[in-house]
Amino acid sequence: AQSVTQLDSQVPVFEEAPVELRCNYSSSVSVYLFWYVQYPNQGLQLLLKYLSGSTLVESINGFEAEFNKSQTSFHLRKPSVHISDTAEYFCAVSANAGGTSYGKLTFGQGTILTVHP
Amino acid sequence: DAGVTQSPTHLIKTRGQQVTLRCSPKSGHDTVSWYQQALGQGPQFIFQYYEEEERQRGNFPDRFSGHQFPNYSSELNVNALLLGDSALYLCASSLGTGGFFTNYGYTFGSGTRLTVV
Repeated sequence: AQSVTQLDSQVPVFEEAPVELRCNYSSSVSVYLFWYVQYPNQGLQLLLKYLSGSTLVESINGFEAEFNKSQTSFHLRKPSVHISDTAEYFCAVSANAGGTSYGKLTFGQGTILTVHP
Repeated sequence: DAGVTQSPTHLIKTRGQQVTLRCSPKSGHDTVSWYQQALGQGPQFIFQYYEEEERQRGNFPDRFSGHQFPNYSSELNVNALLLGDSALYLCASSLGTGGFFTNYGYTFGSGTRLTVV
């Protein structure tokens, strides 16, 4: 089984400042890792994912996350945030193709990012 | 190209009643997964359907049941509603249980907001 802990429930930040949203996971098997974003009254949109290869993954809108296996972390970062980044962010994990729960996502509790002008 | 469509968008039910939520997957997708997102929480996996069969199930009671039709659309049924069933119910579709995340990943719908009074 897998579990995910998002260490901050709310993160307020000023526009153009850097931000880090923290995520730690627990799993007895190898995993895939994801960050999803949810805007008010909408479903989830995939922001970025780590499946294999380079431990640093990037999204098209400037976010990046680094998989750290030894610390079982997958923190999300952005060097300069915009007002439009205000949303709730969810870290998620799935057993990889060899796991019995492959195809099922386990989510963290979410982090509300609020960008102030 | 239509994404995942869920209906209805909102509904209100009384304790003890039964409810049916519907999901049409993204064109070309054949696998449907359902998640429950309580207020202030991350989504929790309910179950997944592929080839009209339940393939995986999360920690939800038998009051939660589902169905997948030959056209890949799906229904989620909840019997004997409790106040605690109030949540946003999300449907996600994908192509097959193989190559799940590597090639195609999930596409989420906008959800059905269920309120039990």
